[in-house]
Amino acid sequence: QVQLVQSGAEVKKPGSSVKVSCRSSGGTFNNYAISWVRQAPGQGLEWMGGIIPIFGIANYAQKFQGRVTITTGDSRRSSYMDLSSLRSEDTAVYYCAREDRHLAAFDMWGQGTMVTVSS
Amino acid sequence: EIVLTQSPGTLSLSPGERATLSCRASQSVSSTYLAWYQQKPGQAPRLLIYGASSRATGIPERFSGSGSGTDFTLTISRLEPEDFAVYYCQHFGTSPTWTFGQGTKVEIK
Repeated sequence: QVQLVQSGAEVKKPGSSVKVSCRSSGGTFNNYAISWVRQAPGQGLEWMGGIIPIFGIANYAQKFQGRVTITTGDSRRSSYMDLSSLRSEDTAVYYCAREDRHLAAFDMWGQGTMVTVSS
Repeated sequence: EIVLTQSPGTLSLSPGERATLSCRASQSVSSTYLAWYQQKPGQAPRLLIYGASSRATGIPERFSGSGSGTDFTLTISRLEPEDFAVYYCQHFGTSPTWTFGQGTKVEIK
């Protein structure tokens, strides 16, 4: 069964960058798109951006434009989310999720990666 | 940009009771692009409903979705102990972009 497996927790200094990975355990992403969603402690879900691996085209929420880069690699088995100029407000759990465009929904999620930004 | 407003913020109910959760969009949206998720503490969200009213694979029949235009509802007919969680609605918009509501917590009364 396909699963999305994310990289481990990170602790970063303010002003630095973090790169979180998301790998499909059951093969390539095929025709699915991959989104990245974050959740600050005790808060709701916030969409950051997404990518269609077969095209390599990414789009981002306006809030994160210029600070986030989403890519794919490993023969379309992995997606990466790179967030720069980190500040304390970026402390959150970061999730990757598979978009099923036929359902117009996220039908599969990674387990989440905790990113802590602290001096 | 579509804004989704969920109400109430918290719903306090007992097992066996009916839960009715609301999601209101700031402008009319296609029901095709409205989904609901359940999230339990320490877990990733899980897809419950897509297309406003279609249950995702493996989701029990006690979960149902309805609505159109700007008003959508998630109903849990009889709450089971495992249903106490936070629920989010989501919209898929142009660009493409995804928007979440702020969530409704269903807690044990």
